[in-house]
Amino acid sequence: DQQVKQNSPSLSVQEGRISILNCDYTNSMFDYFLWYKKYPAEGPTFLISISSIKDKNEDGRFTVFLNKSAKHLSLHIVPSQPGDSAVYFCAASTRNNNDMRFGAGTRLTVKP
Amino acid sequence: DAGITQSPRHKVTETGTPVTLRCHQTENHRYMYWYRQDPGHGLRLIHYSYGVKDTDKGEVSDGYSVSRSKTEDFLLTLESATSSQTSVYFCAISPRQGYVGNEQFFGPGTRLTVL
Repeated sequence: DQQVKQNSPSLSVQEGRISILNCDYTNSMFDYFLWYKKYPAEGPTFLISISSIKDKNEDGRFTVFLNKSAKHLSLHIVPSQPGDSAVYFCAASTRNNNDMRFGAGTRLTVKP
Repeated sequence: DAGITQSPRHKVTETGTPVTLRCHQTENHRYMYWYRQDPGHGLRLIHYSYGVKDTDKGEVSDGYSVSRSKTEDFLLTLESATSSQTSVYFCAISPRQGYVGNEQFFGPGTRLTVL
């Protein structure tokens, strides 16, 4: 029962262009949505989050959009840089974050 | 970076042997978590702790037990390892429930291979 889905296993983008990573969820009880970035042989690191009362949150080059009616969120990276190449995990949790659920991840490759 | 270490970082063991993985934090955070990461599944919660001696099951807890006798240490034990438990294991911590953004902070991971 995968409650958080990332349907694109990989994405390749040219440096300087926009990267758009997508995520869908099924549980309407989720209150918080997060994106984590993971480099090989390292643990995931928190990137950006959004609560269910907002539809957009921006932090520098990273913007997360939430469409609650569609149960869909996306991460935009503008402009993309080669150092952004990593696996990106979408995650969702209720206010009690002991039940955080993760998507399978999308591997982003930014080409110079 | 949050002060989280995991030991060992790599381990190869045989089916049927017991294995214990250790997570150590220096942040004095209340909540600690064990996840496993497998291709096609992302990270899945095994067990978590909300205080010393207080633990609860996660999504994939069968075959695993945990203990937390000190705030800083959270142990994950495979009583009798099976090949299906070959995975990368991550420990995570967070200060409290409802923490702003709800983010958790992850350790570097332990790669476990069960032959």
